[in-house]
Amino acid sequence: DGGITQSPKYLFRKEGQNVTLSCEQNLNHDAMYWYRQDPGQGLRLIYYSQIVNDFQKGDIAEGYSVSREKKESFPLTVTSAQKNPTAFYLCASSIDGVAGSVAFFGQGTRLTVV
Amino acid sequence: ELKVEQNPLFLSMQEGKNYTIYCNYSTTSDRLYWYRQDPGKSLESLFVLLSNGAVKQEGRLMASLDTKARLSTLHITAAVHDLSATYFCATGPTDGLTFGKGTHLIIQP
Repeated sequence: DGGITQSPKYLFRKEGQNVTLSCEQNLNHDAMYWYRQDPGQGLRLIYYSQIVNDFQKGDIAEGYSVSREKKESFPLTVTSAQKNPTAFYLCASSIDGVAGSVAFFGQGTRLTVV
Repeated sequence: ELKVEQNPLFLSMQEGKNYTIYCNYSTTSDRLYWYRQDPGKSLESLFVLLSNGAVKQEGRLMASLDTKARLSTLHITAAVHDLSATYFCATGPTDGLTFGKGTHLIIQP
């Protein structure tokens, strides 16, 4: 079955630790995105990538890093520089990022700082 | 900076009633998406609207787009409990979408 797989579903991070969230898609989509969702809020764009080996900062990139070494993979690292990382993280992909292409979302990773 | 505003943010309604959710956005855009999110779950795509005057319907939900007014609506007809969820609209350029804060919809028997 085609889709977007995020792992883990739940993640706990200690203060000062870096953690990496996995996002894999087998839809052969060129564009991939990371969003953050806080309770009662909409989604905010962290990073996006429209092609392998290229990515751009979104609205709230500070404290995060990404890589896009393979078309199907777009991991997100939450660094210790991110002061308030507790949130629900959603990865998405779309065919090519142009108007009309629907973004499909993974099931999300809930990150909690302990 | 693109801003997307939804209203209402919370809506409690009875089954069988009709209601409309509004989505206003601040800068020109020719594409508008509606998504549904169930508690603790991911987002499910409902509609993609790509031109002024576009109207799409699926079951009891109908979405429309007025690009001149920078307004999209999601109309619910004869609501049923299964439609209880949070609904998001989103728009923006090709490099990622800007989302509204969502409308938390509760439909009571």
